[in-house]
Amino acid sequence: GAVVSQHPSWVICKSGTSVKIECRSLDFQATTMFWYRQFPKQSLMLMATSNEGSKATYEQGVEKDKFLINHASLTLSTLTVTSAHPEDSSFYICSARDLSTSGIINEQFFGPGTRLTVL
Amino acid sequence: GENVEQHPSTLSVQEGDSAVIKCTYSDSASNYFPWYKQELGKRPQLIIDIRSNVGEKKDQRIAVTLNKTAKHFSLHITETQPEDSAVYFCAATGTSYGKLTFGQGTILTVHP
Repeated sequence: GAVVSQHPSWVICKSGTSVKIECRSLDFQATTMFWYRQFPKQSLMLMATSNEGSKATYEQGVEKDKFLINHASLTLSTLTVTSAHPEDSSFYICSARDLSTSGIINEQFFGPGTRLTVL
Repeated sequence: GENVEQHPSTLSVQEGDSAVIKCTYSDSASNYFPWYKQELGKRPQLIIDIRSNVGEKKDQRIAVTLNKTAKHFSLHITETQPEDSAVYFCAATGTSYGKLTFGQGTILTVHP
């Protein structure tokens, strides 16, 4: 149980285009999902907290107009990188907490990540 | 906000030796401290976690200790094996919705 999927697993795009990444909780519901970015040989940096039915909460320094987050259902959050540039190339990882146990269990379940390369 | 410092950045040990990775945190309200193992290009994998009401937790060759007063926690791996080689991250959270702050990571290399 507690499986999180991401799609696509990798994507290559041209500079200036937009890319959408999906994060799904397959066997549980998630009110809250998190989006992280990880550059090579660096740690995971939280970009934003995605809340079902409301606006995402962005971390300081993360442009909300560039990284659009939509959490329309309890099992799906999407991250859209708008007007992507080479510096946006990174490993994007989502995570989710199980709504049914979030008051008891703190564990986050991570997706497999999406490797974005912007040419 | 929370700040997590992790040391060392690299750790090289011989197979069978023990490995210790240490983290400090800044927010005294933090109450959950997970450790993750990440292999290249893969998702972080939870290996052990500890809550603030516990001082130590062990799972076979892996143990975590927490000192709330000093605001530091450590990962201990005994009888290391080559397959333990990976990047290890500590993290901390104290908010009700579980926002995690990660340490910088430790590259562990276990030599056969």
